[in-house]
Amino acid sequence: AQSVTQLDSQVPVFEEAPVELRCNYSSSVSVYLFWYVQYPNQGLQLLLKYLSGSTLVESINGFEAEFNKSQTSFHLRKPSVHISDTAEYFCAVRKTSYDKVIFGPGTSLSVIP
Amino acid sequence: NAGVTQTPKFQVLKTGQSMTLQCAQDMNHEYMSWYRQDPGMGLRLIHYSVGAGITDQGEVPNGYNVSRSTTEDFPLRLLSAAPSQTSVYFCASSSRARQENTEAFFGQGTRLTVV
Repeated sequence: AQSVTQLDSQVPVFEEAPVELRCNYSSSVSVYLFWYVQYPNQGLQLLLKYLSGSTLVESINGFEAEFNKSQTSFHLRKPSVHISDTAEYFCAVRKTSYDKVIFGPGTSLSVIP
Repeated sequence: NAGVTQTPKFQVLKTGQSMTLQCAQDMNHEYMSWYRQDPGMGLRLIHYSVGAGITDQGEVPNGYNVSRSTTEDFPLRLLSAAPSQTSVYFCASSSRARQENTEAFFGQGTRLTVV
């Protein structure tokens, strides 16, 4: 069975500093990987996804994540955060053979002015 | 585009009452699912469906029923509400047709309180 671990439940960071949110998954088969963001009192929105090909994927708002198959990781990074990045971030995994999506417990990112 | 629509947005129930959370999507997605979100637990899958007439259990199905009579709708029923079902509920849908559309689209959530 698949599972997702997000090692940090809360990450405080100063504005304009870099940040890395960690995600590790376990699966015996090929998977798709996702990062979702949830702003306060809202639903989840897709931030970026890895399906195949280049292991580095980017979002339109400056986030990037790198798929590392040997370490079964999909860490999310941003070189310089903004106040507006304050949100809950969820890593998720889904089998390529089509199956349900499993989410990690989430990481709360707080950007400090 | 409406996307995934959930109703109601807020609901307070008394213990033992029943209710149905509605979910509708207009993207012709085959796959639909229900999650509950609790602090520190992330999103846990309750039930899911891969198409009309087909449903299956997720991680935490007890106390919930679902049905899928049409592609568009996937209601979640609480037969006898318990305080442990106080949570925020999210409905999601995704396509099976194309690899590039594998991500899930979420509704805005239903905040349920059982007293």
